[in-house]
Amino acid sequence: DAGVIQSPRHEVTEMGQEVTLRCKPISGHDYLFWYRQTMMRGLELLIYFNNNVPIDDSGMPEDRFSAKMPNASFSTLKIQPSEPRDSAVYFCASRPTSGDYNEQFFGPGTRLTVL
Amino acid sequence: DAKTTQPPSMDCAEGRAANLPCNHSTISGNEYVYWYRQIHSQGPQYIIHGLKNNETNEMASLIITEDRKSSTLILPHATLRDTAVYYCIVREGGRDDKIIFGKGTRLHILP
Repeated sequence: DAGVIQSPRHEVTEMGQEVTLRCKPISGHDYLFWYRQTMMRGLELLIYFNNNVPIDDSGMPEDRFSAKMPNASFSTLKIQPSEPRDSAVYFCASRPTSGDYNEQFFGPGTRLTVL
Repeated sequence: DAKTTQPPSMDCAEGRAANLPCNHSTISGNEYVYWYRQIHSQGPQYIIHGLKNNETNEMASLIITEDRKSSTLILPHATLRDTAVYYCIVREGGRDDKIIFGKGTRLHILP
């Protein structure tokens, strides 16, 4: 299995532009998570989906952020308009439905720089 | 907020056992202890988890005290590739709960 796939790996954009980050979870995994990591705030959960349905989006910082999961093999995180403070590494993770424990498998991340 | 307390950094000589402590004094009876690590420029990686008993896998051992208020992750023969930030996390098993990552312990393996 290729693991969780994220694209692009690096994104540099200017303030005000729309940014779309993409994630392909591991096949067969029912849960998908989007995280953001910065030096100041560490690793934060933004939103997660179960069977393509958003379950908890309380970590989404504001209305400029939106996430979708149109099918079991694809999710997007969109920032519109982007701001310099959105610069961070964004991770996607997935996991299967399981019993007593639930290991999450993380992708390599997308490093976003907003100028 | 994270339910765990970890030292911000530790050093360990290559080839020696690395013992990473974690305090979780408010852990409840149905909460598991998980460990993840994050190597520089990579996503976090699951290491091990446990409820009450000590656990061992190919990566590490997890020792949980009898009162479950603290635990220790042991890397038996640390290598330079084990240099990473190690996160101790407490959460209920089998739930959709969020993983709340704290600041973790930055482990430096010294040659």
